[in-house]
Amino acid sequence: DGGITQSPKYLFRKEGQNVTLSCEQNLNHDAMYWYRQDPGQGLRLIYYSQIVNDFQKGDIAEGYSVSREKKESFPLTVTSAQKNPTAFYLCASSPSGTAIGEKLFFGSGTQLSVL
Amino acid sequence: AQSVTQLDSQVPVFEEAPVELRCNYSSSVSVYLFWYVQYPNQGLQLLLKYLSGSTLVKGINGFEAEFNKSQTSFHLRKPSVHISDTAEYFCAVGKGNTPLVFGKGTRLSVIA
Repeated sequence: DGGITQSPKYLFRKEGQNVTLSCEQNLNHDAMYWYRQDPGQGLRLIYYSQIVNDFQKGDIAEGYSVSREKKESFPLTVTSAQKNPTAFYLCASSPSGTAIGEKLFFGSGTQLSVL
Repeated sequence: AQSVTQLDSQVPVFEEAPVELRCNYSSSVSVYLFWYVQYPNQGLQLLLKYLSGSTLVKGINGFEAEFNKSQTSFHLRKPSVHISDTAEYFCAVGKGNTPLVFGKGTRLSVIA
């Protein structure tokens, strides 16, 4: 089945630790996105990538980093600089990212909590 | 920058009653509007979208929405809800090829 796979489903971070959330898609989509979801806050864009080896900051990029070395993979690292990392993280993709009105396809999310 | 306001954070409704979830957006130019649904501990699924043309858009699961340019609104409606419609609903706006901007969500609770 084609889709987006996020792993792990649950992740715990110790203070001062960097953690990496995985996002893989087999839809052959060019564009990929990371959103952060907090209760009552909706989805906020962290980073997005419209093509391999290129990415742009979203609204809340501080304390996060990404890479896009392969079309199918867009891992997100939550660094120790992110002081309030507890949230539900959603990865999404779209076919081109440059065509108007494209639908986003979402993964099932990763819940990150601080120990 | 685009913004989306979902006027109600929570909407309780009895089963088989109609429901309207409200969404207003800010923009001075053409935009594209979406409604997504999220079931607990899952990602989002597209319900419907408006790109152009007819202002009444029909989506999955019996939902529909009406684009009103003069009121900058895109309210979601369903004439008769089911228990299975209990979920969180997000309105989103897009412009050109920039990433979607989402509202804060409305939690719909259907009461038996």
